[in-house]
Amino acid sequence: AQSVAQPEDQVNVAEGNPLTVKCTYSVSGNPYLFWYVQYPNRGLQFLLKYITGDNLVKGSYGFEAEFNKSQTSFHLKKPSALVSDSALYFCAVRDPSRRNTGFQKLVFGTGTRLLVSP
Amino acid sequence: EAQVTQNPRYLITVTGKKLTVTCSQNMNHEYMSWYRQDPGLGLRQIYYSMNVEVTDKGDVPEGYKVSRKEKRNFPLILESPSPNQTSLYFCATRTSLGGTDTQYFGPGTRLTVL
Repeated sequence: AQSVAQPEDQVNVAEGNPLTVKCTYSVSGNPYLFWYVQYPNRGLQFLLKYITGDNLVKGSYGFEAEFNKSQTSFHLKKPSALVSDSALYFCAVRDPSRRNTGFQKLVFGTGTRLLVSP
Repeated sequence: EAQVTQNPRYLITVTGKKLTVTCSQNMNHEYMSWYRQDPGLGLRQIYYSMNVEVTDKGDVPEGYKVSRKEKRNFPLILESPSPNQTSLYFCATRTSLGGTDTQYFGPGTRLTVL
């Protein structure tokens, strides 16, 4: 079964410093990986995704993520954090090997709260 | 503007009183689903629909019903709500059954069952 782990409940970083939010996954085949962000009282917003190709994926708001197949990781990064980046971040995985079941479910991690201090 | 709308956004109700949370999308997406979000558990899928009149259970379907009579609407029905259904609910859509496309989420419905 596919699964996602976000080992940190919260990440604290000072504004201007680089940030990393960790994600590891487990699927039977090659994964499709996603990051979503949730601001207070809002729904989830898509940040970026990895399907194939370049291991470094660039997304919205200056975020990027690096796919590492050997470590089964897809960590979210940003070179310089902003206070406005403070939010709840979700990593998600879809297992494309399940396409014959008629749909492909998106499995989410438990979320990591990012707190950027001024 | 492409959007997914949910109503109501907030609801406080009592045990056993039937309720419906509506979800509507204007993107002509085939695939729609419902999730609940609980602290420490992330998002868990309740039900999904691959097209009109095609629905199936997700990971936590107990106590919920859905229907898909029109492509744009996918209501979530709680026939007899219980306190363990207190949660934050999200409707989501995506273009097709393909694995690479992005999922779009509604703003959420915060439900409290007393």
